[in-house]
Parts: sequence; C-alpha cells; structure tokens
Amino acid sequence: SQTIHQWPATLVQPVGSPLSLECTVEGTSNPNLYWYRQAAGRGLQLLFYSVGIGQISSEVPQNLSASRPQDRQFILSSKKLLLSDSGFYLCAWGTGQPQHFGDGTRLSIL
Amino acid sequence: QQPVQSPQAVILREGEDAVINCSSSKALYSVHWYRQKHGEAPVFLMILLKGGEQKGHEKISASFNEKKQQSSLYLTASQLSYSGTYFCGTSSGGGADGLTFGKGTHLIIQP
Repeated sequence: SQTIHQWPATLVQPVGSPLSLECTVEGTSNPNLYWYRQAAGRGLQLLFYSVGIGQISSEVPQNLSASRPQDRQFILSSKKLLLSDSGFYLCAWGTGQPQHFGDGTRLSIL
Repeated sequence: QQPVQSPQAVILREGEDAVINCSSSKALYSVHWYRQKHGEAPVFLMILLKGGEQKGHEKISASFNEKKQQSSLYLTASQLSYSGTYFCGTSSGGGADGLTFGKGTHLIIQP
C-alpha cells in the first residue's frame, strides 16, 4: 500500500533563516505531488504541484520554492523565512488528482 | 475561485444527521471531501466525479450535481468520532493541477 512521509513534524525557525521540508511517497511510481499550506484556523492553500521529476508548477508567488529531485521526493524550501510563512505545511500525493495528505509539518517563525 | 461551504459550523447530538454543502461558481470536474481533526492532517473521505455520482462510505455519503456546481456531504446517525472540520476541495480541469478548498465546516457531536 502507498504511504506518504513528511518531516520534521514540528519546526521552530527564526525570521530570515532557511527552510527545507521533505516529503516522500512509497508504494507508487510517478505520483503527482503537492504542497499545501494551512494558516491557523483557515483552509488549505495550494502552493506547488509536480507531475514529474524536475517539473514544478507554482500557484502562489512568494519566497518559497519547491523541487522534485527524485520520482517520489518533493522538497519545499526557502532562503529567508518571513513571519507570514508560519503555518501547517502539508504534502499530498495522487495518481491522478491529489487525494492523500501526509501528517504535515507545523512551522513556527520567531 | 474558492468554493463556498455551508454551514460554517454545526452542533449535533450523537445519532442526529447533518448535511454539509459545497458550492462553486465554476464548472466542476470533481469534488473531494476531507475530515480534519484538531492538530492533525486532513483525511480523505471520498471523491465525486463529473456525472452526478453519489458515493457512500459507512454512514457518510455524498452527492454531486455538476449542473448546479454543488456537492453535499451527508452524515447519518452521527457518532462522536465524526467531530472535526470538513473540507471540500474542487477541481475544474480534472488534471493534476491541485484542488481549491473551501474554508471548512466545523462539526461538533455531543453525547
């Protein structure tokens, strides 16, 4: 069966520091991968999606970037974090459309 | 454009029924329903595709009216475990370009 892993589960970072969140999927090949962000008490906002290695589509312009170095690996990065980057970051995968989320990373910016 | 969910919140007694609605201003290809408990990731409940399909999952079912661009989630004989926030996610293209989510419906089930 397919599983999705995200790490770390929680992260506290100072403003201006870099960020790297990783997501991996097991049990499937060539999945579509997604990064969403959920601000406290809010809905989910699509940040990036990828249909294959090296293919990244951005939905919202911001200081975040994404990369897909391997088929089942999706990375969310930032060179300099802002206070507004705080939130719950969720990776999702699907063979067609997104369906299943990872456990998420709760990011707090100080 | 973000789909609109209604109601924003609902409080029920255990065993009562609930209906959560999701409405879009755009033509829809699919609607996805999720439940999220506090502090956890959303859990996938079901997907409804263009065609007026209705699906069921234990005591939770949903309908999709593509002409009205609406979907409804039905919770029958609610259990305490049904408490949480329910989100609908919509797709207009049917491709891999991700879902647009509503703001969620908070459901509280009381004993």
